[in-house]
Amino acid sequence: GAVVSQHPSRVICKSGTSVKIECRSLDFQATTMFWYRQFPKQSLMLMATSNEGSKATYEQGVEKDKFLINHASLTLSTLTVTSAHPEDSSFYICSARLGVNQPQHFGDGTRLSIL
Amino acid sequence: AQSVTQLGSHVSVSEGALVLLRCNYSSSVPPYLFWYVQYPNQGLQLLLKYTTGATLVKGINGFEAEFKKSETSFHLTKPSAHMSDAAEYFCAVTPLGGKLIFGQGTELSVKP
Repeated sequence: GAVVSQHPSRVICKSGTSVKIECRSLDFQATTMFWYRQFPKQSLMLMATSNEGSKATYEQGVEKDKFLINHASLTLSTLTVTSAHPEDSSFYICSARLGVNQPQHFGDGTRLSIL
Repeated sequence: AQSVTQLGSHVSVSEGALVLLRCNYSSSVPPYLFWYVQYPNQGLQLLLKYTTGATLVKGINGFEAEFKKSETSFHLTKPSAHMSDAAEYFCAVTPLGGKLIFGQGTELSVKP
């Protein structure tokens, strides 16, 4: 089946640090990747949609300068949380899909803790 | 706007009992429908999906779901619960070519 790899699985760092999270589709070329944020005991909140070779589309209320997304190839998208603060602590999950009407396949998530 | 409602944020069943997780959606046109499962500190795993064709869809781990257009429902069932089924379950829909719209999630507990 379609496999999406997300790294790192856990990050603990000091306030003010920038953190990069990678999302890779291992066995298929993902035309579109998505980044979600999940708070405890809640559903997933879509942050942005990323298409290879073009700028990401951010959801309303998501700061594009805070959450930098790069989708340089059909198998890799990165999310960089710039100058992270404690309120950015959360579980971040990426997903990838092959085509417009194909299901999304999810990575295992990244637990980000900002001290 | 499309929305997804999962009835019951928490469902508890005994091992071996029937599992029924409810999902209703609102949409002007039938969307694509999905059920995902999430284990603690992990991403989401696709259980099953409905796009077109047969309305009873079989997925992994013995789960199945039936699309009922007249009821705008896509309930998830499993005849006999296993301890390993304990997890968070999300129903999701996507309009043609669109983003996933998730329900609030249902936490399934399985008692020995």
